[in-house]
Amino acid sequence: DADVTQTPRNRITKTGKRIMLECSQTKGHDRMYWYRQDPGLGLRLIYYSFDVKDINKGEISDGYSVSRQAQAKFSLSLESAIPNQTALYFCATSGGGPNQPQHFGDGTRLSIL
Amino acid sequence: AQSVTQLDSQVPVFEEAPVELRCNYSSSVSVYLFWYVQYPNQGLQLLLKYLSGSTLVESINGFEAEFNKSQTSFHLRKPSVHISDTAEYFCAVSERGYSTLTFGKGTMLLVSP
Repeated sequence: DADVTQTPRNRITKTGKRIMLECSQTKGHDRMYWYRQDPGLGLRLIYYSFDVKDINKGEISDGYSVSRQAQAKFSLSLESAIPNQTALYFCATSGGGPNQPQHFGDGTRLSIL
Repeated sequence: AQSVTQLDSQVPVFEEAPVELRCNYSSSVSVYLFWYVQYPNQGLQLLLKYLSGSTLVESINGFEAEFNKSQTSFHLRKPSVHISDTAEYFCAVSERGYSTLTFGKGTMLLVSP
């Protein structure tokens, strides 16, 4: 089984719908992250959490919200989806400290029509 | 604030040729540096990292990168590439005392026979 699991892997939805992307991990890491990937723009940080009670905005948090339900679970919500939120979304985890590498899920490909 | 520049969005090479993927960073403090690889339809995987010590770091599949503090660079090299090295490569930096990664926009390595 994968260490970092994202569900769903693919989702097509309509403008205005509420969407939740889920991430769970078995690595025992405290730190979890949500990124979006767009062609030519690399990965951009949406939100991150260093423990269950700690949630922080990243570079591009507008239009998104998150919930850290447990150490192992971190979900990303789009309250009212819009077409420019069409992207590939990645969840990642890491151990403590900036010298620790991040471990990524396989991504959720989200299309908003 | 840290930033990362990957000058080449795409690098086409022939199999068995050498390759260099360039990465420059900007930071006012000491940094940790990472290279990640993304194969099609997968998440990012850590390729190698520089934390401290020897400025030349190596991966298990023949890639190496050299930290050059004076030029603020961390270029990735391989003396002889294989078709299977075709992937997108991301350089990333984190600052000591700061706990998130900043990614470059990625370089697509295209290896042809």
